Amino acid sequence: TQLLEQSPQFLSIQEGENLTVYCNSSSVFSSLQWYRQEPGEGPVLLVTVVTGGEVKKLKRLTFQFGDARKDSSLHITAAQPGDTGLYLCAGDMDSNYQLIWGAGTKLIIKP
Amino acid sequence: NAGVTQTPKFQVLKTGQSMTLQCAQDMNHNSMYWYRQDPGMGLRLIYYSASEGTTDKGEVPNGYNVSRLNKREFSLRLESAAPSQTSVYFCASSELLDRDVWYYEQYFGPGTRLTVT
Repeated sequence: TQLLEQSPQFLSIQEGENLTVYCNSSSVFSSLQWYRQEPGEGPVLLVTVVTGGEVKKLKRLTFQFGDARKDSSLHITAAQPGDTGLYLCAGDMDSNYQLIWGAGTKLIIKP
Repeated sequence: NAGVTQTPKFQVLKTGQSMTLQCAQDMNHNSMYWYRQDPGMGLRLIYYSASEGTTDKGEVPNGYNVSRLNKREFSLRLESAAPSQTSVYFCASSELLDRDVWYYEQYFGPGTRLTVT
């Protein structure tokens, strides 16, 4: 059972378009992280959100943590080919040292 | 700083062969992890080490063993490789952070691509 559901699983859009990807759960998380993974490399941490309703911006990327701390979204404005990659969300449930991982959203931005 | 390093980058094994994947981190982190990544399944935790001297099973430990050699190094051993262990293996390290709540951020190595024939 996947505790963190990411949607869509795959998204291919043109450069300059906006997009949103989602990370949803029925469980409450104490914090949630977003990672980006490029082909042939390991995931790289983008952001951590810890407060319900928190919004964080990283240039053209906006991350939001749901008020109930069960879900999160990543919005990209004016997507660029350099945004191409696999976006993974991971949640911390305070249970131990482990993170709960979503299966990822594969994003392709076409020039 | 190199961050998290892994060796080898690629490996091909025959069924029944053994091998050890090496991982080292230079960030002085207490916790280290081994994951496998298969298409469409995200990252699955094999084993983790919360601190030097301790190791614990994750979601998919069968067929693997680990050793936390010291604070820097955490190795993963396949005693008798099987085709089902064909995957990309990632090592990660993390430290406990505090920003009103305690949380971990994980830092990953570049991965080892293993094929078992």
